[in-house]
Amino acid sequence: DVKVTQSSRYLVKRTGEKVFLECVQDMDHENMFWYRQDPGLGLRLIYFSYDVKMKEKGDIPEGYSVSREKKERFSLILESASTNQTSMYLCASSLMSGVTGNTIYFGEGSWLTVV
Amino acid sequence: GDSVTQMEGPVTLSEEAFLTINCTYTATGYPSLFWYVQYPGEGLQLLLKATKADDKGSNKGFEATYRKETTSFHLEKGSVQVSDSAVYFCALSDPRLGNAGNMLTFGGGTRLMVKP
Repeated sequence: DVKVTQSSRYLVKRTGEKVFLECVQDMDHENMFWYRQDPGLGLRLIYFSYDVKMKEKGDIPEGYSVSREKKERFSLILESASTNQTSMYLCASSLMSGVTGNTIYFGEGSWLTVV
Repeated sequence: GDSVTQMEGPVTLSEEAFLTINCTYTATGYPSLFWYVQYPGEGLQLLLKATKADDKGSNKGFEATYRKETTSFHLEKGSVQVSDSAVYFCALSDPRLGNAGNMLTFGGGTRLMVKP
């Protein structure tokens, strides 16, 4: 089975702290994604990456950065956490292909509270 | 840009009732369509998908038909169970990755609560 693992399920951080959310996938997928989930807004794409060291902004990149130094690992970084970044963060991965119907696999999510 | 609209919840049903969750989309081109489910405390799992018009996706008793003429992909189940209580997300394939693969644009999610 494909496994996408997010290292922290629950975090509480202070305003202004630097926060790292780590994600690892074990299926050699080229594409990796970070989404943010908020009630009523569904999932919104923060950043995505289609190759090592490659990254593209999604729909809401402000206040976030990412790092992909190895194919299996995609990190989300909050340089200076703010209370409006309190949310559930979901990592996902998928194979590179010319087909739009291939499956995207999700991790279990990281609940971040910024106080 | 592309977008997905699904009915707001929560939807509360009794066990064995019929379920419909509406989903409509706006897209250029011909996206693939998906339903994902999120059980309490978990991440998202693919429930079903359809990759072209008139395709029907089905899984675990759930069905959805890709209707290009009405730009819809409504989720249905004939008899829901308590274990179906979850949040359901409709999504479409986002073309920004081009030939590099699949990426998704999601609707807002619909919470389903099934009572015994």
